[in-house]
Amino acid sequence: KAGVTQTPRYLIKTRGQQVTLSCSPISGHRSVSWYQQTPGQGLQFLFEYFSETQRNKGNFPGRFSGRQFSNSRSEMNVSTLELGDSALYLCASSLDGFGYTFGSGTRLTVV
Amino acid sequence: AQSVAQPEDQVNVAEGNPLTVKCTYSVSGNPYLFWYVQYPNRGLQFLLKYITGDNLVKGSYGFEAEFNKSQTSFHLKKPSALVSDSALYFCAVRDISGGYNKLIFGAGTRLAVHP
Repeated sequence: KAGVTQTPRYLIKTRGQQVTLSCSPISGHRSVSWYQQTPGQGLQFLFEYFSETQRNKGNFPGRFSGRQFSNSRSEMNVSTLELGDSALYLCASSLDGFGYTFGSGTRLTVV
Repeated sequence: AQSVAQPEDQVNVAEGNPLTVKCTYSVSGNPYLFWYVQYPNRGLQFLLKYITGDNLVKGSYGFEAEFNKSQTSFHLKKPSALVSDSALYFCAVRDISGGYNKLIFGAGTRLAVHP
C-alpha cells in the first residue's frame, strides 16, 4: 500500500515568488492536513481539507492557501514568499482522525 | 486549549540501557495521544497512539508508552536502546476544538544513543 507522497522533495525560491507543493494521500483517505516545521516554531498546523473542502485553518497569513481535488490529492500554495517561509512542509493523510500518516515532506528554501 | 509539553530538549542514553522520553499533556475531554519519530531530512514516522483502553500501549520498533491520567503524562519507553534509535521524537495530542481534527505537537526531544 503506497504511503503519502509529497512533491517536490526540495525547492529553492526567491523572495517574492510563489510556490505550489503537492501531496497525494493514501488511497481511500479523504482528509489531508498540512504542517509547517521550522527550528524556531516547531510543528505548526496550516490547514486541513476533507472532500475538497477546507475544514480547519491554523494561524497563518492569507499568503498560505490550499485546495483539494476530487481524487483527494492536495496542493498548498504560498504567495509572495518571505525568508521566514523557509521550512519543511509536511502533509498528513487520515482515514478517520484517529491516525495520521505523514509524507517525507518538501524542504522549501527561500533566498 | 489542548497542549503537550516535552520537558527535555535532549536525552542521552547508552546503547542497551532503557530509555524514557517524557511527555505531559493538557486537554479538555478524553486525550488522544501520539508519538512520532523523525530522522534527518525525513517526515514523521508513526510509533504508537493512545485512544482508549490499556494504559500501556505497544508500538513499532519495540517502543511502548504509558498513559497516566492522574499525572497527565504519556512517556515513551524502550527497554533496550539501539544506536539506530537516535532521532527526534515528537509527542502530539489530537485537538478537536471547533469540531475538526488537528494535531498539536510538543517541541520535540532529541534522543542520542551512544555506543
